[in-house]
Amino acid sequence: GQQVMQIPQYQHVQEGEDFTTYCNSSTTLSNIQWYKQRPGGHPVFLIQLVKSGEVKKQKRLTFQFGEAKKNSSLHITATQTTDVGTYFCAGDSGYALNFGKGTSLLVTP
Amino acid sequence: EAGVAQSPRYKIIEKRQSVAFWCNPISGHATLYWYQQILGQGPKLLIQFQNNGVVDDSQLPKDRFSAERLKGVDSTLKIQPAKLEDSAVYLCASSPRDRNTEAFFGQGTRLTVV
Repeated sequence: GQQVMQIPQYQHVQEGEDFTTYCNSSTTLSNIQWYKQRPGGHPVFLIQLVKSGEVKKQKRLTFQFGEAKKNSSLHITATQTTDVGTYFCAGDSGYALNFGKGTSLLVTP
Repeated sequence: EAGVAQSPRYKIIEKRQSVAFWCNPISGHATLYWYQQILGQGPKLLIQFQNNGVVDDSQLPKDRFSAERLKGVDSTLKIQPAKLEDSAVYLCASSPRDRNTEAFFGQGTRLTVV
C-alpha cells in the first residue's frame, strides 16, 4: 500500500532560524495536504497542493509539490515560538488519505 | 458551523473488554475518516467512508475492529476485544466533498487499555 515518509522526525531551532520538513510518497499522488498539530490538540489543515510543481505561500510558510507529484516540502522562514508543533503531510492516493509520521518542531526563544 | 463531534473524550478499559466510539461529522460532509494516533506518531488511517460506503479499510484490524456509518452521517468505531496496543487517540475527521479535500478533525477519543 501507499506509504508517506517524512524527515526529519524532530527539529530544534532558535527563534528566527529557518525550518524545512520533507515528505515523500511511495506512489504518485492526486494531491498532498499539510496539517499542523499542537501538543494535546488535533491536526489542523494548512494547505492543499494539487498541481505538479506547485508552490504556495502563506505568510512565512512556503509549500512545494514535486514535479513527479511524489514529494513535497514545507519551509518556514524566520521561525517564531508560535510555530511550535508537529507538521504532517497527508498524501491522497486517489482514494485514501494517508499521513506521514510528522516532524516535530521545537523553537527556542 | 459546528465542528466534528466525538464522544467520549476519554475512556479507560481493561484488556479483552469492548469499547465503542461515536462521531458526528460536519453536516453535509460526504467523506468520513477514522484515524488511530499512537503517542508520538502520525495518524494512521483505519477506515474511510464516502457517504455510507467504504473507500478504504486496508489498515483496519478486522478481527477486532469494526466501523459503520449509518445513513451516511454518524459513524461508530468498535473494538472487541481490546488489546494493550490499542491505547491511542482515535480521531474522526470529515471532508466536504466526495474526494479528499480539507479534512476537519474532531477532538479525538483518548483510549487507555490496562
